[in-house]
Amino acid sequence: QQKVQQSPESLSVPEGGMASLNCTSSDRNFQYFWWYRQHSGEGPKALMSIFSDGDKKEGRFTAHLNKASLHVSLHIRDSQPSDSALYFCAASETGGYKVVFGSGTRLLVSP
Amino acid sequence: GALVYQYPRRTICKSGTSMRMECQAVGFQATSVAWYRQSPQKTFELIALSTVNSAIKYEQNFTQEKFPISHPNLSFSSMTVLNAYLEDRGLYLCGARASSYEQYFGPGTRLTVL
Repeated sequence: QQKVQQSPESLSVPEGGMASLNCTSSDRNFQYFWWYRQHSGEGPKALMSIFSDGDKKEGRFTAHLNKASLHVSLHIRDSQPSDSALYFCAASETGGYKVVFGSGTRLLVSP
Repeated sequence: GALVYQYPRRTICKSGTSMRMECQAVGFQATSVAWYRQSPQKTFELIALSTVNSAIKYEQNFTQEKFPISHPNLSFSSMTVLNAYLEDRGLYLCGARASSYEQYFGPGTRLTVL
């Protein structure tokens, strides 16, 4: 079983809408989480990191972490067609170097 | 700023041949370097991890004999895919961590095997 699971596999939202992506870890040692975005033909680029319980907001992007349930989410408000990409959740242990990725959510924002 | 370069960006090799790819971290002091493969199905597999305190450690299903890695320091790393076959195709990503909080990925080397 994958240690980091993402849902949904794919998501379509209209331009200007809210996109919500979910990620759950099955390993309680994972305490550091990142969201990455990957456009076609490129490597993944870090969107946000979150290490503490609660919300973290950066522009149109808000990440939420609940360490008790090992659930992290990413919300994109006012979605733009340029937000269409693969989104990956990644996690690692405190003090650890190994990063584990989820299987990704494909987001399509239609004009 | 912090950047990770990878070379080449794309490569094609014949089945059974080998190819080498490089990774360089610029603008920060890397404390670890990891190589990943992203399959055509888009999942990431960790191939190997090197840290400032330990030797290269390969993950299950990946071996030094198949994916030898060398790096004079953590800012520069090269990996070779030996005897490449169809199942080795994918996007090979190099990731370097500057700290527990910061990690950067290169654009990847896309390997096509004919």
